[in-house]
Amino acid sequence: GIQVEQSPPDLILQEGANSTLRCNFSDSVNNLQWFHQNPWGQLINLFYIPSGTKQNGRLSATTVATERYSLLYISSSQTTDSGVYFCAVERGYSTLTFGKGTMLLVSP
Amino acid sequence: GAGVSQSPSNKVTEKGKDVELRCDPISGHTALYWYRQSLGQGLEFLIYFQGNSAPDKSGLPSDRFSAERTGGSVSTLTIQRTQQEDSAVYLCASSSTGIGQFFGPGTRLTVL
Repeated sequence: GIQVEQSPPDLILQEGANSTLRCNFSDSVNNLQWFHQNPWGQLINLFYIPSGTKQNGRLSATTVATERYSLLYISSSQTTDSGVYFCAVERGYSTLTFGKGTMLLVSP
Repeated sequence: GAGVSQSPSNKVTEKGKDVELRCDPISGHTALYWYRQSLGQGLEFLIYFQGNSAPDKSGLPSDRFSAERTGGSVSTLTIQRTQQEDSAVYLCASSSTGIGQFFGPGTRLTVL
C-alpha cells in the first residue's frame, strides 16, 4: 500500500514563530488532506489539496503531486495551534491513508 | 446537520459485551468511512460505504466487527464480544466527490 511519511515528528515553537511541516508519499494520489487534531481529539479539516497551493488565514499548503510531497506552513503561530497535524492521502477514491503526524507545541 | 455526528461520545463496557456505535453523516454525502485510533497510534481504516454497500471492508480486524448503513445515511458499527484491545476512539467520516473527508468527534470506547 501507499506510504505516508511526515516530518518532523515533534516540533516546539515559541508563540509568533513560523513553521513548515512536510508530508512525503510513495505513489500518485487523487486526494491529499491536512488535518489538525486538537487536544480533545477532534480532527479538523485544514486543506483538501491534491495539487497546487491554498491559503486560509495564517495557514497555507502546497502540494507538488509530480514530486510526491506536500508542505503545510503555519505563520505567526499561536498556542491554539498546538496539537497533532496529520497528512492523509487517498488513492482510488476509497480510504485515506494517514501519516503518523507531527505533534506541535506552541508555548507562550 | 452541519457536520458529522457520532453517538455515544463515550462508552465504557465490560469484556465480552456487544456494543453499537452510530454515525450520522453530513446530509448528501454518499460515502461514509469508519476509522479507529488507538492510544498513541495513528488512524486505522476499518470500512468504507458507498451508498448502502461496502466495497471495502478490508480494515475490519476480525469477524467480531461488522457495520451497516441504511437509507444511504446513518451507519452503525457493531463490535461483538468486546476485548480489551478494542479500546480506542472510533471515528466516522463522510465525503462527497472532490471535497475530501470530514470527520465526526468520535466515540471513545473503553473495554474493562
